[in-house]
Amino acid sequence: GAGVSQSPSNKVTEKGKDVELRCDPISGHTALYWYRQSLGQGLEFLIYFQGNSAPDKSGLPSDRFSAERTGGSVSTLTIQRTQQEDSAVYLCASSLVLAGSYEQYFGPGTRLTVT
Amino acid sequence: AQKVTQAQTEISVVEKEDVTLDCVYETRDTTYYLFWYKQPPSGELVFLIRRNSFDEQNEISGRYSWNFQKSTSSFNFTITASQVVDSAVYFCALSEADNNNDMRFGAGTRLTVKP
Repeated sequence: GAGVSQSPSNKVTEKGKDVELRCDPISGHTALYWYRQSLGQGLEFLIYFQGNSAPDKSGLPSDRFSAERTGGSVSTLTIQRTQQEDSAVYLCASSLVLAGSYEQYFGPGTRLTVT
Repeated sequence: AQKVTQAQTEISVVEKEDVTLDCVYETRDTTYYLFWYKQPPSGELVFLIRRNSFDEQNEISGRYSWNFQKSTSSFNFTITASQVVDSAVYFCALSEADNNNDMRFGAGTRLTVKP
């Protein structure tokens, strides 16, 4: 079946602009995660969603970052007033249930470059 | 909070050599899950293995093998007879049953297999 998809694959934006990144999880997966990976670095947890529960926003680096998940499926990560330090690859992952035992399946990521 | 350490930042081997990637973890939970992911140059993370804390049996899958030792809090990954296609960044990750929305990744080990 189809995997996790993300769009756009690449995004170049000017400092101060807002950007929206989209994630389509695997059908039937109830948990969805956003991570950020800076160049040569590991994965930094940003936010997760599980069903209709309130999202865990504990990893969001600032109030310029927000995310929503509509209908329990597609998610959008929004970065307002982008800064150069926001440049990174943003990865989305989904898993079958919200349980540590279930592996996360990752999308190809969106490479964001803020000039 | 849980923590994952991958002390090897980069490893370079020649094809057909065996190579072991180290992963050491910290957790206070008695129930937890360990993972390995591969991130090839294309960028998309690929799930390799999941192991729960109650199963210390080592696992072999083709040229891949994993050695889980609770006594040393390690979950090492060995590639036997390495191939150029094994070149990638490998991430070890940990999630706790009591905090299963928070999967912590190590910084990753970049493996380069030269022909």
